Amino acid sequence: KQEVTQIPAALSVPEGENLVLNCSFTDSAIYNLQWFRQDPGKGLTSLLLIQSSQREQTSGRLNASLDKSSGRSTLYIAASQPGDSATYLCAVRSGYSTLTFGKGTMLLVSP
Amino acid sequence: KAGVTQTPRYLIKTRGQQVTLSCSPISGHRSVSWYQQTPGQGLQFLFEYFSETQRNKGNFPGRFSGRQFSNSRSEMNVSTLELGDSALYLCASSTVLTGGNTGELFFGEGSRLTVL
Repeated sequence: KQEVTQIPAALSVPEGENLVLNCSFTDSAIYNLQWFRQDPGKGLTSLLLIQSSQREQTSGRLNASLDKSSGRSTLYIAASQPGDSATYLCAVRSGYSTLTFGKGTMLLVSP
Repeated sequence: KAGVTQTPRYLIKTRGQQVTLSCSPISGHRSVSWYQQTPGQGLQFLFEYFSETQRNKGNFPGRFSGRQFSNSRSEMNVSTLELGDSALYLCASSTVLTGGNTGELFFGEGSRLTVL
């Protein structure tokens, strides 16, 4: 059974800092991994999708990497802004429909 | 391009009642999946539908059911509601890639169910 762990559970940083969020998974036989952000009381917004054959994906100030052999993915956020404050979730797809989420990292960026 | 639409956004029910939630996927997306989000358990997979067929089901009791229509719209139903069913129910849509794998997920805003 796939298990996904996100560390840290919460993170508070001043505006402008570069930061790294971590996601680890127990079964390396994955199809893809997706990073989301969730604002309080809202749905999930897709940030980046990494296929199992890829090593990283970039979108603006965000960069996500994937190391299947070690069961890890990182989400790098450059020059953080208060608007980046949200909960960040990673989700690992291990089969056609089987998607396992981590519990998330709650990020607070202070002005 | 319209996103994933879920209705209703908020609802309050009492124990023993049943509820039906609706999800309209992004145009062209034929896969719809449902998730339950609670503070204690986080996000848990309920089921996925593709071409009106349930492809996979999470570890939830039979009180939770769903269906998909020919236009890809989906509904989920929870019967005999319990207090523990209070949660944010999220629907996601996606394309299905060659080989059957599900592509990038796009979520709706969710339906927040409160059971009293």
